[in-house]
Amino acid sequence: GESVGLHLPTLSVQEGDNSIINCAYSNSASDYFIWYKQESGKGPQFIIDIRSNMDKRQGQRVTVLLNKTVKHLSLQIAATQPGDSAVYFCAEKLGGGGNKLTFGTGTQLKVEL
Amino acid sequence: NAGVTQTPKFRILKIGQSMTLQCTQDMNHNYMYWYRQDPGMGLKLIYYSVGAGITDKGEVPNGYNVSRSTTEDFPLRLELAAPSQTSVYFCASSLRDRDPGAFFGQGTRLTVV
Repeated sequence: GESVGLHLPTLSVQEGDNSIINCAYSNSASDYFIWYKQESGKGPQFIIDIRSNMDKRQGQRVTVLLNKTVKHLSLQIAATQPGDSAVYFCAEKLGGGGNKLTFGTGTQLKVEL
Repeated sequence: NAGVTQTPKFRILKIGQSMTLQCTQDMNHNYMYWYRQDPGMGLKLIYYSVGAGITDKGEVPNGYNVSRSTTEDFPLRLELAAPSQTSVYFCASSLRDRDPGAFFGQGTRLTVV
């Protein structure tokens, strides 16, 4: 899961297994959350988002769960593939207007064959 | 459709030198952002713009300046480069205030020596 620090948390999964990446966000006033995927040497790529009035949202092979009570966000990737290997970031946006995102540290996902 | 384009991709600067990181987007997005990403860390917002002629500071603006004379372009200026500015810089843009699922450029890797 996410953590603040100088090293990147790593999650290793077998190809075909499901992956769960966790994120603890900081501000209870945040009303919008995004998961990004970042491959080595590339910019972040939008995966899925969720608004604070929802607790679950599904995309293609991905599901985001939001637990506002404990300020926790998770990204579930079904049937993980080698192409899913990347660093995954969560980001939060404060409510009340404005468009600034605050990013978590990231989790390195490694898919083992 | 090129999306968000950043130049240069790599640059080495000497301490005290100045440079401009270029960013242009062809999606007619009003919102543009500059982030920096230090090794093993998440992205931190340097500056952002909600439209041509309007800019505002993010989390880490010191040592940087921006301008937004057109919708398409959002250059980032380093006036007196310092080793602490060694980082990867990402430009991003988004269409709506309430939907900052931003599109990111490929990044500029800057080293200050």
